[in-house]
Amino acid sequence: DVKVTQSLRYLVKRTGEKVFLECVQDMDHENMFWYRQDPGLGLRLIYFSYDVKMKEKGDIPEGYSVSREKKERFSLILESASTNQTSMYLCASKDSRAGTQYFGPGTRLLVL
Amino acid sequence: GNSVTQMEGPVTLSEEAFLTINCTYTATGYPSLFWYVQYPGEGLQLLLKATKADDKGSNKGFEATYRKETTSFHLEKGSVQVSDSAVYFCALTLNAGGTSYGKLTFGQGTILTVHP
Repeated sequence: DVKVTQSLRYLVKRTGEKVFLECVQDMDHENMFWYRQDPGLGLRLIYFSYDVKMKEKGDIPEGYSVSREKKERFSLILESASTNQTSMYLCASKDSRAGTQYFGPGTRLLVL
Repeated sequence: GNSVTQMEGPVTLSEEAFLTINCTYTATGYPSLFWYVQYPGEGLQLLLKATKADDKGSNKGFEATYRKETTSFHLEKGSVQVSDSAVYFCALTLNAGGTSYGKLTFGQGTILTVHP
């Protein structure tokens, strides 16, 4: 089975702090994604990566950056957290050929 | 652009009732369509998918048929159980290659609660 791991399930930060969320997948997938989930809005794509050190902006990249130094690991960075970034963050990975994305359990971030 | 519209929730049913969650889409190409489910406290899991018109996806008693003429992919189950209580997301991805990289466009999600 594909496993996508987000080790932090809950995180509380203060406004202006740096936030680092990590995602690890164990299936050698080329493509990885970061989404945020908000009630009534579904999931919105923040950034994605199609290879090591390669990244593309999604629909809502403002206030976020990403890093992909190794194929299995895709990190989401909030350089200076703001209260409007309080949300559930979901990571996903996908084989470059297949259509199915596999999701991690999510990290619920609260910015005070 | 691409978009997915789901029926608004929440949906509350009694056990063994019939379920329909409507999903319609707009897409610039030829999408694959998906239903994902999110159980409380968990990430999203693929429930079923269909990759071309008239395909029917099915899993765990749930079904959805890809209707190109009505641009719809409605989710149905004949008899729901309490364990089906979850949030259901309809989504699409374009099949074309290039720079799409399989990005998913999601609907807003529908909360389903099933009572005993």
